[in-house]
Amino acid sequence: DVKVTQSSRYLVKRTGEKVFLECVQDMDHENMFWYRQDPGLGLRLIYFSYDVKMKEKGDIPEGYSVSREKKERFSLILESASTNQTSMYLCASSLWHQETQYFGPGTRLLVL
Amino acid sequence: AQTVTQSQPEMSVQEAETVTLSCTYDTSESDYYLFWYKQPPSRQMILVIRQEAYKQQNATENRFSVNFQKAAKSFSLKISDSQLGDAAMYFCAYKSSNYKLTFGKGTLLTVNP
Repeated sequence: DVKVTQSSRYLVKRTGEKVFLECVQDMDHENMFWYRQDPGLGLRLIYFSYDVKMKEKGDIPEGYSVSREKKERFSLILESASTNQTSMYLCASSLWHQETQYFGPGTRLLVL
Repeated sequence: AQTVTQSQPEMSVQEAETVTLSCTYDTSESDYYLFWYKQPPSRQMILVIRQEAYKQQNATENRFSVNFQKAAKSFSLKISDSQLGDAAMYFCAYKSSNYKLTFGKGTLLTVNP
């Protein structure tokens, strides 16, 4: 079974703090994704990576950056957290030649 | 840009009955994939079923089946013999030849005992 894990289920941070969300997959997937999920808006893609050190912006990249130094790990960085970044963050991964994305359990981030 | 529309924010069904969740999408592409994902209250998103657009046959997975109408750009999910464990948020999603998965806003399914 594919396993995608995220470093925290819940996080509380202060406005202006730098926040790191970590995602690890154990299936040697090439592609990794970060989404945020908000009520009534569904899931929106923030960034994705199709290889180590490669990244592309999704629909809502503003205020976020990402890092992929190793194939199994994809980090989402909030350089200076703001209250409008309070959300559920979901990580996903997929094999490059397959279309199915597998999701982690999510991190619920609260920015005060 | 591709869009996915789920017109039913909430649905309910009696245990053991059948329910159909609606999804429509907009695309100009001919080759793409469609998915239904389930997100139970524990929040882990799980793949329910997938459909390749080039396949005419509707996908099925046990009690879950789809009605894929390519010309109408419709992709509904039918859940037969509903169980309490089926209660969740269901998301319809579209994927074309690039990496991007576009989600609908979800349908919250309640299963009544």
